[in-house]
Amino acid sequence: QVQLQESGPGLVKPSETLSLTCTVSDGSINNQYWSWIRQSPGKGLEWIGYVYDSGTTNYNPSLKSRVTMSEDTSKNQFSLKLSSVTAADTAVYYCARYRRGTGWYYFDYWGQGSPVTVST
Amino acid sequence: DIQMTQSPSSVSASVGDRVTITCRASQDISGWLAWYQQKPGKAPKVLIYATSSLQSGVPSRFSGSGSGTDFTLTISSLQPEDFATYYCQQAQSFPLTFGGGTKVEIK
Repeated sequence: QVQLQESGPGLVKPSETLSLTCTVSDGSINNQYWSWIRQSPGKGLEWIGYVYDSGTTNYNPSLKSRVTMSEDTSKNQFSLKLSSVTAADTAVYYCARYRRGTGWYYFDYWGQGSPVTVST
Repeated sequence: DIQMTQSPSSVSASVGDRVTITCRASQDISGWLAWYQQKPGKAPKVLIYATSSLQSGVPSRFSGSGSGTDFTLTISSLQPEDFATYYCQQAQSFPLTFGGGTKVEIK
């Protein structure tokens, strides 16, 4: 079955850019919706956005001005960049597959989560 | 954005109890609701999608119901492995949003 694994720095300085990568195993990333979701004690689970088919993206308006998502099909990976981070961006970041089709819309596969702290 | 409100925020129950968790949407979500279970230090795991469809491999003691703005997740006979936090999530419109969670604790 599909497996997802996040990777990236666990500590980011304020005002810098948070960068995470999700590697997908046992399945192709082609023609699937790949999402990032974060979880912090203060805001619970928050959907950040998705990337589809290498170029189509949909971001949460609350983060849209700072988010960029992309895919690298040659590596079966997708990535998240969140710019100008503050302490409010401290959270566990999950990558997940958004299953989207007739009769179903939900996150069926998740990574284990990547904790990110924003601090000097 | 569609706001998702869960109640209760926590519930204490015993093994074998029937547990019901409620999720209310701020507007009609046409049945596009999923439920997830999350254990400490782990990612959420989908239990139910489209209000009442059981995800493959999920025990039949979990069931979902509802329509419009009001939905429920029922655990018919609570098992030791069911002590966890449960979240609802709407898929009617973007941005996708989650409820605040319901923690099921051991009585």
